[in-house]
Amino acid sequence: GQQLNQSPQSMFIQEGEDVSMNCTSSSIFNTWLWYKQDPGEGPVLLIALYKAGELTSNGRLTAQFGITRKDSFLNISASIPSDVGIYFCAGLNYGQNFVFGPGTRLSVLP
Amino acid sequence: KAGVTQTPRYLIKTRGQQVTLSCSPISGHRSVSWYQQTPGQGLQFLFEYFSETQRNKGNFPGRFSGRQFSNSRSEMNVSTLELGDSALYLCASSLAGTGEPQHFGDGTRLSIL
Repeated sequence: GQQLNQSPQSMFIQEGEDVSMNCTSSSIFNTWLWYKQDPGEGPVLLIALYKAGELTSNGRLTAQFGITRKDSFLNISASIPSDVGIYFCAGLNYGQNFVFGPGTRLSVLP
Repeated sequence: KAGVTQTPRYLIKTRGQQVTLSCSPISGHRSVSWYQQTPGQGLQFLFEYFSETQRNKGNFPGRFSGRQFSNSRSEMNVSTLELGDSALYLCASSLAGTGEPQHFGDGTRLSIL
């Protein structure tokens, strides 16, 4: 079945640094979503992307729908302690269900 | 606007028992999906309900079942519990499914002893 890979698996950064993570697949997707999950809570939707090449921002977060439709990228600028958590990507094809990546665990050091 | 509400938040059961989890979607949302989240397997799709009908189903055994009521609230049932069923069960809702972003509840943490 369809699978998503996320890179890196985990990362430790200094507060104030920018963060980049990506999500790749061997399959094409029509929709990409990015979620953040804090401990003990459900995933919270950050950004939704619907068109190849689309670049969308939400505050300090920017995500892009890869031009090949097989990947997506998430950038966080000027990281702060509350950015700590697990970031999941999810891909969707019409008529099918969302497929989730394994997540990137972000730790921010003060 | 109230988010997705899942009850109970925590549940402890023993092998062989059965359990029912509940999910109230965001008001106006008619699609409800259920996921199992474990450290080893990540987020895995269980099934989706829309207008009281199961529209999609993941690769889980028949011990996992669900239903949706006319007010869009949904329940998930797991029978003959196994140790491997220990997981965080997440419910997500959207207006009509079919590619719309899903909004998750905080989950029910099920532990099997």
